[in-house]
Amino acid sequence: QSVLTQPPSASGTPGQRVTISCSGGSSNIGSNTVTWYQQFPGTAPKLLMYNYNQRPSGVPDRFSGSKSGTSASLAISGLQSQDEADYYCAAWDDSLSAVIFGGGTKLTVL
Amino acid sequence: EVQLVESGGGLVKPGGSLRLSCAASGLTFSSYSMNWVRQAPGKGLEWVSSISGNRDYTYYAPSVRGRFTISRDDAGNSLSLHLNSLRAEDTALYYCATDGYIYGDGAFDIWGQGTMVTVSS
Repeated sequence: QSVLTQPPSASGTPGQRVTISCSGGSSNIGSNTVTWYQQFPGTAPKLLMYNYNQRPSGVPDRFSGSKSGTSASLAISGLQSQDEADYYCAAWDDSLSAVIFGGGTKLTVL
Repeated sequence: EVQLVESGGGLVKPGGSLRLSCAASGLTFSSYSMNWVRQAPGKGLEWVSSISGNRDYTYYAPSVRGRFTISRDDAGNSLSLHLNSLRAEDTALYYCATDGYIYGDGAFDIWGQGTMVTVSS
């Protein structure tokens, strides 16, 4: 069971806005930065968002991140079929002295 | 171009040992923390271990602490993970990843393609 909690699935139609939540605690999201990763089947994960809301070069501005207290969110606007993938949040946990990943959210574009 | 290439995976019996390697190219390897992340078949990502650029710090997931050892050879631009006392639940694709190569500490920004470890009798 992950210390960071994500919904196992999310879905939307092309053009919609979808939000994926990542719920943690004071020892992880509450006190450390959050990163998000995108993974397509059979490929390595790719950094999608760092420092809560910073996009690496090449990531469309349709993707945005935010944090409130001990939770973080990834929002995808103008949903496209190529956004269909698994999404993971991650953060350092001060209590565990370890990096923790959320369980992942499978995004389906209907 | 920065590239990470993992090797050393394979089939091993429970209780056995294995050594994984990650060869890095295109970056000043010694400057960056490095990580191992694994993914069991059909499951999510699990961070395994990290080592700082100066080797002063190593960290391990509770599930592998005491059984796995991370190390690095900066002269050879390589990262290693020694896996001991292997269990069936260690079966996974093991990725190496840079930490903060471009985007700051905590951002796993470059990933290899992974090497598969299967623990089975």
